[in-house]
Amino acid sequence: EVQLVESGGGLVQPGRSLRLSCAASGFTFDDYAMHWVRQAPGKGLEWVSGISWNSGSIGYADSVKGRFTISRDNAKNSLYLQMNSLRAEDTALYYCAKGSSPYYDFWSGELDYWGQGTLVTVSS
Amino acid sequence: QPVLTQSSSASASLGSSVKLTCTLSSGHSSYIIAWHQQQPGKAPRYLMKLEGSGSYNKGSGVPDRFSGSSSGADRYLTISNLQSEDEADYYCETWDSNSYVVFGGGTKLTVL
Repeated sequence: EVQLVESGGGLVQPGRSLRLSCAASGFTFDDYAMHWVRQAPGKGLEWVSGISWNSGSIGYADSVKGRFTISRDNAKNSLYLQMNSLRAEDTALYYCAKGSSPYYDFWSGELDYWGQGTLVTVSS
Repeated sequence: QPVLTQSSSASASLGSSVKLTCTLSSGHSSYIIAWHQQQPGKAPRYLMKLEGSGSYNKGSGVPDRFSGSSSGADRYLTISNLQSEDEADYYCETWDSNSYVVFGGGTKLTVL
């Protein structure tokens, strides 16, 4: 059974940093692209960032480019999101999601499994 | 880059059928999309991948009541024999090398 478990969320002041983690199990982690998707309170889904199976291809939404960094450790079956210079508008539930197709670029194919999310609140 | 347009809300009666629409922007009518369901207070759940031909592949454990179809730039999700647990937000998703991953605004489905 595929499981994605996010952690690292919390309350943080504007301008500070936070690092999210996603522990994956139930599939061959290093075969698949992985993504972060967020959902602000009462709003829809917003793709944040994606990384290919071998970290060779990485992308970011314009809203986080230059502030967020995605990475993965295939030896630890883990995905990360380093969030710097946080803003109030980054307040959201952050989901880790798995790409559907093995060995593809992160932007090829749908997201087929989702974690339960970790809440990030940016406020003074 | 592709834009996905969804109606903000829809409603249908218990036991009936409903057809939700996701429309691809001009120039992107051939794109494959995916449908996701988000029940209240829960994480999204992948339902299916849907091609422009109308061919679809469902995710693990998705009931037979869920099906997909396509016409031109429109991608449809049909839910038959509506159950109370189908009351949820439904999002479509697509992807390409320029805009990466894109979601529609979501449709809130109310089961009457």
